[in-house]
Amino acid sequence: DIVMTQTPLSSPVTLGQPASISCRSSQSLVHSDGNTYLSWLQQRPGQPPRLLIYKISNRFSGVPDRFSGSGAGTDFTLKISRVEAEDVGVYYCMQATQFPWTFGQGTKVEIK
Amino acid sequence: QVQLQESGPGLVKPSQTLSLTCTVSGGSISSGSYYWSWIRQPAGKGLEWIGRIYTSGSTNYNPSLKSRVTISVDTSKNQFSLKLSSVTAADTAVYYCASWFRRDGAFDIWGQGTMVTVSS
Repeated sequence: DIVMTQTPLSSPVTLGQPASISCRSSQSLVHSDGNTYLSWLQQRPGQPPRLLIYKISNRFSGVPDRFSGSGAGTDFTLKISRVEAEDVGVYYCMQATQFPWTFGQGTKVEIK
Repeated sequence: QVQLQESGPGLVKPSQTLSLTCTVSGGSISSGSYYWSWIRQPAGKGLEWIGRIYTSGSTNYNPSLKSRVTISVDTSKNQFSLKLSSVTAADTAVYYCASWFRRDGAFDIWGQGTMVTVSS
């Protein structure tokens, strides 16, 4: 299985300041079809996960532009340019390049 | 706008079979644009992908659960289902159904989730 490792596991952030989450995969996530199936999900307290970013850097419909994704191969990053109160929650990276699909362990973003 | 809703018993006895259904509304489960998946999350823990099904009935399962899992689709009811046999307390979790949008290559829509407890 591809192991997804996120750092940090907890990120206390001041409102209006940036936040960054790293996700590293144990193998390259480049699929044989040329796509890299790395996505980022946000899970607010008591809510189901919500898609933020797909294929490394594409913002899903309705996602604020303060969220951005980058990376390639085995190293990926989610950045929040200016954290707002509604951004509190747990963020997961996920790979769908190889079965079984796997998730990172999650990074908790909280306000200082 | 596609919406998903899980349903099924909230309590299952050990060694029995967990059965859940996901009802798709606002769209057709027969759409070739989607795969339909189950994911679970134990309390306070991370997400685990269980498996997926296509409208044709083709499936892929997580090997860690494969011997106990069956995912099926009922196009006439616009539903897909999960069966997990021989459950133990370790299967206690919130179970989510989700749609995988093939164009985006990601889970774009999630159900609200349903809590299943395995206990006698």
